[in-house]
Amino acid sequence: NAGVMQNPRHLVRRRGQEARLRCSPMKGHSHVYWYRQLPEEGLKFMVYLQKENIIDESGMPKERFSAEFPKEGPSILRIQQVVRGDSAAYFCASSPRDGVEKLFFGSGTQLSVL
Amino acid sequence: EDQVTQSPEALRLQEGESSSLNCSYTVSGLRGLFWYRQDPGKGPEFLFTLYSAGEEKEKERLKATLTKKESFLHITAPKPEDSATYLCAVQAGNTGFQKLVFGTGTRLLVSP
Repeated sequence: NAGVMQNPRHLVRRRGQEARLRCSPMKGHSHVYWYRQLPEEGLKFMVYLQKENIIDESGMPKERFSAEFPKEGPSILRIQQVVRGDSAAYFCASSPRDGVEKLFFGSGTQLSVL
Repeated sequence: EDQVTQSPEALRLQEGESSSLNCSYTVSGLRGLFWYRQDPGKGPEFLFTLYSAGEEKEKERLKATLTKKESFLHITAPKPEDSATYLCAVQAGNTGFQKLVFGTGTRLLVSP
């Protein structure tokens, strides 16, 4: 039973380019969360999605960032016109439903902006 | 604003030397307090959830406890494989899903 799969593991972009991060939740999980971990900071909530719906995006920067979780395929976190401050580890987590005891995290995507 | 503070930032122990990690929190109605373990280059791995003051949970050499203001992760007779960063997180009572507020973690190194 595969865990949460994230790809790519490492992504290098130049300032102004677009970054696309993918997350396939665990089998049977329909709820996806994205968290960001900046150097020397704790994990910060970004967005919570269910299939085809954004439930809470209060942690997402208002500009350049977007997320989706289509009916088919992985969840995508998209960052347009990346800046150096976007360099961080981006983690995806999944759960089978609301109000569960725990989240299952992927191994993350390390984004480096040159 | 919900906040989580973990101490110490880093802890070095000899194998077999027991100790405790601290997690202090302020939250608008605690729905749950979580402990995760994170190894380098990996995502957090769930350890425990605590829901109310006085609750305790154990798993192998780890024991988590909860009061109204803080939680402790006690490590008894640690082994080198316990070396990792231990993360504490809280879920506020006004969210029905896991919008967690994390601390910055305690980096534990256990030497043989």
